[in-house]
Amino acid sequence: EPEVTQTPSHQVTQMGQEVILRCVPISNHLYFYWYRQILGQKVEFLVSFYNNEISEKSEIFDDQFSVERPDGSNFTLKIRSTKLEDSAMYFCASSTAQGSEAFFGQGTRLTVV
Amino acid sequence: TQLLEQSPQFLSIQEGENLTVYCNSSSVFSSLQWYRQEPGEGPVLLVTVVTGGEVKKLKRLTFQFGDARKDSSLHITAAQPGDTGLYLCAGDGGSGNTGKLIFGQGTTLQVKP
Repeated sequence: EPEVTQTPSHQVTQMGQEVILRCVPISNHLYFYWYRQILGQKVEFLVSFYNNEISEKSEIFDDQFSVERPDGSNFTLKIRSTKLEDSAMYFCASSTAQGSEAFFGQGTRLTVV
Repeated sequence: TQLLEQSPQFLSIQEGENLTVYCNSSSVFSSLQWYRQEPGEGPVLLVTVVTGGEVKKLKRLTFQFGDARKDSSLHITAAQPGDTGLYLCAGDGGSGNTGKLIFGQGTTLQVKP
């Protein structure tokens, strides 16, 4: 069964460092998303991406964040200068169409120390 | 701001009991999805409801979308220990239907043998 895959599963980084979280969406999906979940809190939307551009982003997704689809398979989330409060599980998701069912990856646990 | 409130937040029951989880909002959603999340993993889609009043069944799980499309419920019949997990509801929240999902805070279910 097709699935969304994310790497790494766990990333530890020092405050101020840049991190790139990687995702391989399901191959025939066209819409891509990043969400995050701080421990014990809700899953929060970060950004949606379609046709090589951001279609919507949340207030959390400030200038420190960026997304890219560098080739036909990968979808990345970059945090330029990590802060302690960026520590969270980051989930990538993809869907075939706007508003259709979203399938999530297993997540990357980011720990900023 | 669209919000989804789930209740109860925690539920601990004995194997064989029935239970209902509620997902409520003051906003109208064109669709609502239910996910189950295991610790350290991504949400796994259970069902999507799109029509007001719609009822969907998945084995012992029954999902209902309110007539006004502002609320939903998940009913589990004869719960089993394997049903233990975090149940999340999520509604489409994008302006222009970008696929953005608004999540509830989740209901943690524990089914004791």
